[in-house]
This record gives sequence, C-alpha cells and structure tokens, in this order.
Amino acid sequence: DTAVSQTPKYLVTQMGNDKSIKCEQNLGHDTMYWYKQDSKKFLKIMFSYNNKELIINETVPNRFSPKSPDKAHLNLHINSLELGDSAVYFCASSQDGASNQPQHFGDGTRLSIL
Amino acid sequence: DQQVKQNSPSLSVQEGRISILNCDYTNSMFDYFLWYKKYPAEGPTFLISISSIKDKNEDGRFTVFLNKSAKHLSLHIVPSQPGDSAVYFCAASADQGAQKLVFGQGTRLTINP
Repeated sequence: DTAVSQTPKYLVTQMGNDKSIKCEQNLGHDTMYWYKQDSKKFLKIMFSYNNKELIINETVPNRFSPKSPDKAHLNLHINSLELGDSAVYFCASSQDGASNQPQHFGDGTRLSIL
Repeated sequence: DQQVKQNSPSLSVQEGRISILNCDYTNSMFDYFLWYKKYPAEGPTFLISISSIKDKNEDGRFTVFLNKSAKHLSLHIVPSQPGDSAVYFCAASADQGAQKLVFGQGTRLTINP
C-alpha cells in the first residue's frame, strides 16, 4: 500500500498543451508539497498546502496551479506547457508542516515536452 | 544561490566498510537537517534527521553528525551493504512556520562487493 502516490508516472506531450498530475497520500498527513527536479538533479520546492490552504508558493509561473480538493489530495495543473517544464515532479506530504518533521515522497512524474 | 551543497557527486566504498557522505550549508537559520536515499525511478526515502540542538543522531547502521560552527553535516553508514547503493540527498529547513526543504544535489554511493 503506497503512502504517497502520483499519476501518471510518465507524461509525454507537446508544447502549448495543458496537463495535470494527480497526487494522493494515505498517511493522514495535513501538509502536502510539490517539488521539481530539474536536469541538474536539484529538487526545488514549488508549492505547499496545509489542510487545503496554500502556505508556500515559490515564485513559480502562474501557468502552474495547484489544487487541493481535500487534505489527502494535491493535484498540479500546468497550462501552456513549455520546453523548460520538462522535469521530474515529486509530490510529498508531512504530518503538519512543522519544520522538524520528515516529508514523505511519491515516486515522481517524469514530464517530457516535445 | 545554493544553500545546501554536496561537493562529491559520487563515492565508491567496499562492502563492509564505512561510507561517509558530506554536506555543507550556508544558511545559519537552518535548524533541521535530513538525509534521503533515492533509487532510480523512485522518490526520495527519508533515512534520518537531526535537529540543530543535537550534534549526533544514530539509527541502526546510520549516524548523522552535525557541526554547526562549520555548517557541516555528515552521514555515516557502517557497515556498508550492497543495498545501500543509491543517490543520497542532504536537505535542510528553517523554522519559518512552514517547512521548506532545501536540497543538495546528491551523492551517488556505490557499494562494491
């Protein structure tokens, strides 16, 4: 039973399209996150939600819109995809977003823009 | 501006020996540090963490050491096992009311039989 699950695992699409990545956690955590791992392998935070409320937004283009229908789900919608959006996107969750708790990650979604 | 750095992209260690992975940081506001392990095509898996009020935390074969004055932490794995071969990420966060992990670029550890 997967704790943090993302779908799809792979996503290949053309520039200009709109796509969504879904994330669900069954850990009962209150806080969820989206990270981007770029071509240089750095993992950088994009967004964080606590109980469906946005608490971190790291200067991400507004083509990226996270949506949290409930605290167990945090989906990422991307409009007008660009070549530079190609990356691996990781979803994560933690108990309540306090600074001294580990985050648990999904297996990632590899997005490739043609 | 890279606040967390892992200067060794790769490390090769013989099975049974000690593996030492290093991490440096620049932000003195960081007060919580973590190590993650990552296999290909999987997400990072939490290994061990340490709060800035401690200088050592141990969990089985894994020990993390924190030297605040040097802004340096290290992960010791002993004895190293073939299953430890993976990419290891160091991460840090500051208590700002919300947890924002800042990651290093990772070190690929290979354990040779």
